[in-house]
Amino acid sequence: DAGVIQSPRHEVTEMGQEVTLRCKPISGHDYLFWYRQTMMRGLELLIYFNNNVPIDDSGMPEDRFSAKMPNASFSTLKIQPSEPRDSAVYFCASSLKIVGELFFGEGSRLTVL
Amino acid sequence: AQKITQTQPGMFVQEKEAVTLDCTYDTSDQSYGLFWYKQPSSGEMIFLIYQGSYDEQNATEGRYSLNFQKARKSANLVISASQLGDSAMYFCAMREGISSGSARQLTFGSGTQLTVLP
Repeated sequence: DAGVIQSPRHEVTEMGQEVTLRCKPISGHDYLFWYRQTMMRGLELLIYFNNNVPIDDSGMPEDRFSAKMPNASFSTLKIQPSEPRDSAVYFCASSLKIVGELFFGEGSRLTVL
Repeated sequence: AQKITQTQPGMFVQEKEAVTLDCTYDTSDQSYGLFWYKQPSSGEMIFLIYQGSYDEQNATEGRYSLNFQKARKSANLVISASQLGDSAMYFCAMREGISSGSARQLTFGSGTQLTVLP
């Protein structure tokens, strides 16, 4: 069975450029989460969706970050314009309703120069 | 206040010995879930074990067991017969509101870096 699929795995870009990270959750999972991992702050939740609807976006750092889930099988996290402090590993995860673990993708490592 | 506290930034264990990784949590919910994840140097997050707050028995999964002490709000991970491949970062996490019908986010601790020595 396919797990959570993220792309790109690695992205290097210059400050000011737009970055789009993509995620395909596990089929049938109702919840999708975007996390960011840095050495300084650990794993932070950015936003999560339930049935394609954003439920909690209080972790989104600022207006430069936006996330969408146009359908049950696809989500994007966009940073525009990107800044060096956005450099991190961005994880997408999905889960079934209510209980159970989150299944994580392999992460997208973003480097903003 | 921190929801999940892992007080051991780094731990060392000899191969084939058992090791306990500490985790304490803070919640006012009655229904919650506790998780442990492993993150090897390759970066992926691997689910290890789950304990529900109403589960009467400690969870076990192969060499992993969770020492759940509800009154003390601790959920320590025990790895028996450590292997070199167990060297990784280990994260404790909690999910609140399990029975309310609205799953909440998974909140992670800061992690413990485990090194298994040959």
